[in-house]
Amino acid sequence: KAGVTQTPRYLIKTRGQQVTLSCSPISGHRSVSWYQQTPGQGLQFLFEYFSETQRNKGNFPGRFSGRQFSNSRSEMNVSTLELGDSALYLCASSAYGTNYGYTFGSGTRLTVV
Amino acid sequence: AQTVTQSQPEMSVQEAETVTLSCTYDTSESDYYLFWYKQPPSRQMILVIRQEAYKQQNATENRFSVNFQKAAKSFSLKISDSQLGDAAMYFCAYRSGYGQNFVFGPGTRLSVLP
Repeated sequence: KAGVTQTPRYLIKTRGQQVTLSCSPISGHRSVSWYQQTPGQGLQFLFEYFSETQRNKGNFPGRFSGRQFSNSRSEMNVSTLELGDSALYLCASSAYGTNYGYTFGSGTRLTVV
Repeated sequence: AQTVTQSQPEMSVQEAETVTLSCTYDTSESDYYLFWYKQPPSRQMILVIRQEAYKQQNATENRFSVNFQKAAKSFSLKISDSQLGDAAMYFCAYRSGYGQNFVFGPGTRLSVLP
């Protein structure tokens, strides 16, 4: 079956712009989480959604937001982009809750110039 | 807050040899799960192995096994018969049993030498 699909794979944006990243989980998976990966900070948790409800949120400013649709697809939005937002954004999905581990997508590489 | 430490930023191993990657964590919880993830250059994180804290028996998945020392809060990964395809970043991760997110360690870059 298809894995976790993230689009786009690469994105270049200018400071001050906003961006929306998309994630399609594995069919049947209702839990979707987002992580930011940078060389300096490593993998940091952004948010977790389950059945369209945000269950957890990491320690990121309000410029970072997300949502999940009824088909479990998820989007994350970053407004007023800053240079420091340049990162690999990883989406992960799980069927039975994250105790069983995530299945990750290949990520979206965002570069802010 | 929970923390995960991987003290080896880089390691290398000869093909067909065995290597052990270290991971320690800090928590006051009794119910939790531990994971090892692999991230090759393709960027996709791949689940290698999972351990439930309440289980004494160490998890094993083919050439991958863990040494889980709960009292010492240690969770090392042993890779036997290393293969070139094992070269990747390896992340140790902690997940509370009480509904928290994953906490990842900083990673260990493993090189496999032919």
